[in-house]
Amino acid sequence: DVKVTQSSRYLVKRTGEKVFLECVQDMDHENMFWYRQDPGLGLRLIYFSYDVKMKEKGDIPEGYSVSREKKERFSLILESASTNQTSMYLCASRAWVANEKLFFGSGTQLSVL
Amino acid sequence: AQKITQTQPGMFVQEKEAVTLDCTYDTSDQSYGLFWYKQPSSGEMIFLIYQGSYDEQNATEGRYSLNFQKARKSANLVISASQLGDSAMYFCAMREGAAGNKLTFGGGTRVLVKP
Repeated sequence: DVKVTQSSRYLVKRTGEKVFLECVQDMDHENMFWYRQDPGLGLRLIYFSYDVKMKEKGDIPEGYSVSREKKERFSLILESASTNQTSMYLCASRAWVANEKLFFGSGTQLSVL
Repeated sequence: AQKITQTQPGMFVQEKEAVTLDCTYDTSDQSYGLFWYKQPSSGEMIFLIYQGSYDEQNATEGRYSLNFQKARKSANLVISASQLGDSAMYFCAMREGAAGNKLTFGGGTRVLVKP
């Protein structure tokens, strides 16, 4: 069965901390994505990657960076966490096929205090 | 400007009735794809249905159908014979470009099915 695994379901961090959110997929997908989900705003794309070491900014990249050293792993980094980064973070992957759906992880609820 | 707009933040529907969830999109690409996802209270994202911009027929998957009106740039989801388990958030999303690699989501519609 297809799987996208996010390392933490819940995370509590302090303002100013460096935060790493990890995501691993086992489907050999080329594309991986980080979204954040906030009530009323839907899912907003932070960053995505279409190959190892390749990345592109999404719609809200400010305050975030990403790393993709291996095809199966895509990390989201909050360099200095702030309270407005409290949110649900969803990782997803998909193959490079036109009608291919996104496969999502179960999400990480991050609280920044 | 919003690429994907879902104008209904929430709605009630009676069990066994049909419900239509609105979705309009904005793109200048000729080739694109439209997706609908369901997110129950458990938080998982469940893929429901896909419509390609060149598909001539409206997509259907069981009780889900997509009312695709290309000229109006709308891709409404129709759920027939609603069930209590259909209570969830529903998101419309668009992939721009031929194979593309980015899906843009709307703000979602919360559906509550009443017994």
